[in-house]
Amino acid sequence: DIQMTQSPSSLSTSVGDRVTITCRASQSISSYLNWYQQKPGKAPKLLIYAASSLQSGVPSRFSGSGSGTDFTLTISSLQPEDFATYYCQQSYSTPPYTFGQGTKLEIK
Amino acid sequence: QVQLQESGPGLVKPSQTLSLTCSVSGGSISSGSFYWNWIRQPAGKGLEWIGRIYTSGSTNYNPSLKSRVTISVDTSKNQFSLKLSSVTAADTAVYYCAREKVLWFDMDVWGKGTTVTVSS
Repeated sequence: DIQMTQSPSSLSTSVGDRVTITCRASQSISSYLNWYQQKPGKAPKLLIYAASSLQSGVPSRFSGSGSGTDFTLTISSLQPEDFATYYCQQSYSTPPYTFGQGTKLEIK
Repeated sequence: QVQLQESGPGLVKPSQTLSLTCSVSGGSISSGSFYWNWIRQPAGKGLEWIGRIYTSGSTNYNPSLKSRVTISVDTSKNQFSLKLSSVTAADTAVYYCAREKVLWFDMDVWGKGTTVTVSS
């Protein structure tokens, strides 16, 4: 299985901060990397697909980059509604698809 | 706008079979542009992919669950289903169904999730 490792596991941040979350794959996955946002008690929501493509309806403050094994999700200016847990997911190899362990953004 | 809705028993006894259905509305499950997935999440933990099905009936399963999982599709009802046999407490989780696009294999539409507890 392809292992996905996110860092950090949690981050204490403030509204207006620029936030970067990283995701590393255990082998090259080209650009088959997706990012999801999950709020408590809710289903995950697709933010970024194909490493850098913004899903329709997602604010432009979210952006993704990377290819191969190293990827980043950046939130340019954190808004109150962005405090959530973020997961990366590789869709290069199935079975199985695998997710990172998650990064929880908390209010400082 | 496509919506997904999970349904099924919220409580299953150990060693029995967990059965869930995902109903698709606002679009046809027979569209050749999508796969249909099941994912689960134990309380306070991360996401685990269970498996997926294409409208042709072709399936892929997580090897860690493959011996116990069956995913099927009923195009006449616009639904797909999950069966997980020989459940234990470790199978207690929120179960989500999700639509996956065939180009980049991203899951763009999710159901709200349903909690399944395995307990006697």
